[in-house]
Amino acid sequence: SQTIHQWPATLVQPVGSPLSLECTVEGTSNPNLYWYRQAAGRGLQLLFYSVGIGQISSEVPQNLSASRPQDRQFILSSKKLLLSDSGFYLCAWTGGLQETQYFGPGTRLLVL
Amino acid sequence: QKEVEQNSGPLSVPEGAIASLNCTYSDRGSQSFFWYRQYSGKSPELIMFIYSNGDKEDGRFTAQLNKASQYVSLLIRDSQPSDSATYLCAVNTGFQKLVFGTGTRLLVSP
Repeated sequence: SQTIHQWPATLVQPVGSPLSLECTVEGTSNPNLYWYRQAAGRGLQLLFYSVGIGQISSEVPQNLSASRPQDRQFILSSKKLLLSDSGFYLCAWTGGLQETQYFGPGTRLLVL
Repeated sequence: QKEVEQNSGPLSVPEGAIASLNCTYSDRGSQSFFWYRQYSGKSPELIMFIYSNGDKEDGRFTAQLNKASQYVSLLIRDSQPSDSATYLCAVNTGFQKLVFGTGTRLLVSP
């Protein structure tokens, strides 16, 4: 069966510091991968999605970036965090032609 | 911009009652629709999806879709306190991307 991992689970970072969040999927190959952010009391905002290694589409202009160095690995990064980057970051995957997205456990980021 | 609208709630129902959650969407070309449940502090988990007009039942849950009215709903029968969560409606906008509503918070009282 497929499993999706995210780490770290929680993170407290100062403003201006860098960020690296990692997502990996097990039990499938060539998944579509997604990064979402959920601010407190808000809906899910799609940040990036990827249909393959090195292929990244950005949905919202911001100071975040994403990379997909391996088939089942998706990384979210920032060079300098802003207060507004605080939120719950969720990675999701779909397999093949499936449309259903399955979410990882998420990373809660607090920027102080 | 393609939008998905949900009443934020909270929707309060007594244990054993039917909870009715509603969602409207703006893109008439949308073809597939999803309901997720999100407990506080946790990630969303899929409840069910629906592609065709009409009803789809899965245990205590029934999804209803009316494409002409651009309306999708989720009924929860015999509501339990453990059903208390935020319910997210999501619509496939093409290219395997989903647009999510902001969710409806459901409270089931014992």
